[in-house]
Amino acid sequence: GQSLEQPSEVTAVEGAIVQINCTYQTSGFYGLSWYQQHDGGAPTFLSYNALDGLEETGRFSSFLSRSDSYGYLLLQELQMKDSASYFCAVRPVYNQGGKLIFGQGTELSVKP
Amino acid sequence: EAGVAQSPRYKIIEKRQSVAFWCNPISGHATLYWYQQILGQGPKLLIQFQNNGVVDDSQLPKDRFSAERLKGVDSTLKIQPAKLEDSAVYLCASSLFSGRETQYFGPGTRLLVL
Repeated sequence: GQSLEQPSEVTAVEGAIVQINCTYQTSGFYGLSWYQQHDGGAPTFLSYNALDGLEETGRFSSFLSRSDSYGYLLLQELQMKDSASYFCAVRPVYNQGGKLIFGQGTELSVKP
Repeated sequence: EAGVAQSPRYKIIEKRQSVAFWCNPISGHATLYWYQQILGQGPKLLIQFQNNGVVDDSQLPKDRFSAERLKGVDSTLKIQPAKLEDSAVYLCASSLFSGRETQYFGPGTRLLVL
């Protein structure tokens, strides 16, 4: 089966850098995705790592290491609007339909 | 382009009552997903459609939940009868086709079962 673990809460100050980790146990997956969800809002896609290494999209970067069963989301130059929940997710290879398995989510609080 | 639309946004019912949720995906998206998100948890897939066919309903409690996607566009998810543990946000998502990593989510329907 698949399981993904994330810290439940992270707090950081405006302008700082924060890293949200995701460790997983899975028999095989296509890649690691990250979604952002503001309170009461819809999850929105942030980034995707199909291969090991770092992917950068503006202030956000995501990293994957399949050998370590580990990934992370890095947020730089934190802004108040970054306060939200962040979910890592994988698409298992056994499921050709595109089903995503989500982690429990990390609630990020950005303080002034 | 218009996003995924869902209605109603909020619903309060008593246990054993029935409820239905509606979803209109992004135009042209063949794949539609229904997720259940319990407070403090990540979304969990209930059912996935490819056009008007079911691809995965392995985690759908079929004794009380049903879903359909007639004509391969809009979809409805029904719960009958509802239980207290069904209190959650029901999210609809769509993607261009199965296997795309980017899924586009609607705002969800917050259901409270009393």
